[in-house]
Amino acid sequence: GENVEQHPSTLSVQEGDSAVIKCTYSDSASNYFPWYKQELGKRPQLIIDIRSNVGEKKDQRIAVTLNKTAKHFSLHITETQPEDSAVYFCAASSIRLGNEKLTFGTGTRLTIIP
Amino acid sequence: GAVVSQHPSRVICKSGTSVKIECRSLDFQATTMFWYRQFPKQSLMLMATSNEGSKATYEQGVEKDKFLINHASLTLSTLTVTSAHPEDSSFYICSARDWGGPSSNEQFFGPGTRLTVL
Repeated sequence: GENVEQHPSTLSVQEGDSAVIKCTYSDSASNYFPWYKQELGKRPQLIIDIRSNVGEKKDQRIAVTLNKTAKHFSLHITETQPEDSAVYFCAASSIRLGNEKLTFGTGTRLTIIP
Repeated sequence: GAVVSQHPSRVICKSGTSVKIECRSLDFQATTMFWYRQFPKQSLMLMATSNEGSKATYEQGVEKDKFLINHASLTLSTLTVTSAHPEDSSFYICSARDWGGPSSNEQFFGPGTRLTVL
């Protein structure tokens, strides 16, 4: 099955600087890669996603890049703010077996230092 | 966007009892729902895929007789933790995909249920 690795597990960034989180996946059939932000005790919130037919996508301060050949994708947050502090998860969706289940990375705890 | 609700949000029960968690899609029909478990400071682990009108598909290592899933309608899936034990204490989250929506790949998550087994 799919295996998603995520690095780093923790990341501290000065407010205003950029943060980058990287993920790799194993299943070449995966074609959908969402990123979620989760605050303590709450549901994951989709912040951006990318499909395998696109190499990069941007939404204001957030961007995601995808390298299908290398099977890795990254989340970039620019001009970080204290409210960006949370746990971020990447995920990959495999189309095998037709149910398109999500496999999550291990998470990155991002702390923005004021 | 599509809304998924879960009930209850918190439950505390004694060891050996069963607990039922409901997951509802409020404004769309969900033929497929997913159940996840999340231990403290860990990632979401898929437990099973719930299919309306048919048996759930369980992930490897998840006991189907312990975690009973029923998806009797297009808007409701239930997870019953049978004979719960302290090691079952966790955050249980469901999700659903709105196949008819603008982003059919996106999964919409419920708010989660915090289960504590004493």
